[in-house]
Amino acid sequence: DAGVTQSPTHLIKTRGQQVTLRCSPKSGHDTVSWYQQALGQGPQFIFQYYEEEERQRGNFPDRFSGHQFPNYSSELNVNALLLGDSALYLCASTLLPSTYNEQFFGPGTRLTVL
Amino acid sequence: AQKITQTQPGMFVQEKEAVTLDCTYDTSDQSYGLFWYKQPSSGEMIFLIYQGSYDEQNATEGRYSLNFQKARKSANLVISASQLGDSAMYFCAMSPGGYNKLIFGAGTRLAVHP
Repeated sequence: DAGVTQSPTHLIKTRGQQVTLRCSPKSGHDTVSWYQQALGQGPQFIFQYYEEEERQRGNFPDRFSGHQFPNYSSELNVNALLLGDSALYLCASTLLPSTYNEQFFGPGTRLTVL
Repeated sequence: AQKITQTQPGMFVQEKEAVTLDCTYDTSDQSYGLFWYKQPSSGEMIFLIYQGSYDEQNATEGRYSLNFQKARKSANLVISASQLGDSAMYFCAMSPGGYNKLIFGAGTRLAVHP
């Protein structure tokens, strides 16, 4: 049973560029959430996708956008990269509705903006 | 405001001893979930234990137990018989009622010494 997978593992970009991160949920899961974890901090919720629509959004600017495909995989896009976007980006999946909201996390994509 | 507070930036414990990691939360929701995750240096968030706000019994999962004191809004993690492999960052998180997003604390770094 495959868990949550993310690609790429590491990424280096320069300021102003655009980046796309990818996530495949755990088998059987239909909901994907994205989190940003800056160095030394806890993860911050970016947004969640369910049935190919953005269901919830955290306090992130419109430069952060996403997409969910019919196979439940998801992309996170960040435009006009800033140095402050350097972080570990975590994807988590779950199945809604669920008895409790356990989310399974992927290994993350470490983004460095120079 | 919904918030998780972890007041211990770092803790250390001797192998085979028990350790308690503190977590307090703030929410006005009546229904919510509380989670603990472990994050090794590899970056992946590993689910440890869950407590629902209406659960009367403290949750236990193997060597992990959650000391839930609802009136005090605390959800401390107790690790019994610590092992060297327990050395990692530990995050307390809350899922507000009706939503699936996770709100994380800043984390506690645990070091287990032989």
